Amino acid sequence: GIQVEQSPPDLILQEGANSTLRCNFSDSVNNLQWFHQNPWGQLINLFYIPSGTKQNGRLSATTVATERYSLLYISSSQTTDSGVYFCAVNYGNNRLAFGKGNQVVVIP
Amino acid sequence: SQTIHQWPATLVQPVGSPLSLECTVEGTSNPNLYWYRQAAGRGLQLLFYSVGIGQISSEVPQNLSASRPQDRQFILSSKKLLLSDSGFYLCAWSRDSYNQPQHFGDGTRLSIL
Repeated sequence: GIQVEQSPPDLILQEGANSTLRCNFSDSVNNLQWFHQNPWGQLINLFYIPSGTKQNGRLSATTVATERYSLLYISSSQTTDSGVYFCAVNYGNNRLAFGKGNQVVVIP
Repeated sequence: SQTIHQWPATLVQPVGSPLSLECTVEGTSNPNLYWYRQAAGRGLQLLFYSVGIGQISSEVPQNLSASRPQDRQFILSSKKLLLSDSGFYLCAWSRDSYNQPQHFGDGTRLSIL
């Protein structure tokens, strides 16, 4: 099946710092989503991004489908950005294959 | 707008007991529905998905089953729970058109004793 790899697995940031999370996938995909899982377990949709770049506040994402990767940028990080960030790829029938996530801790 | 509900939020069950987790979606019709499990706090695995009433596809062999008795209702069941069934179970929905994003419920945290 399709493989989704995220890096780095763990990241500690000082509040105010910027960071980049990466997602590589092994095969062509129909689409890609980025999620933030908060400490209560809720999965929050961040981006639905098959290709190109999107921005939402301090977060932005870029997907280069031809090279099979996507990047999530966090700028001016805040403690509320802590949690696990998941990349998930749509491989047919709108099914998602998830990476193992990026655990982000933002310290004040 | 569309909403998705899961219950219960937390469940503690003894080994060998039955299980029924329910998920319902409001504000849309004929959605695709999905059950995922998250073990050890990382990585979600797709267990089942459904494109219509009574239509269930299983992604991995396991001790669980799923049913879709109504258009917007998806149920995850087991006749006899195993310790390995512990985890965080999430339900999701998407529109039934090609290439649609998924939206997740708040999940059920299941502990097997």
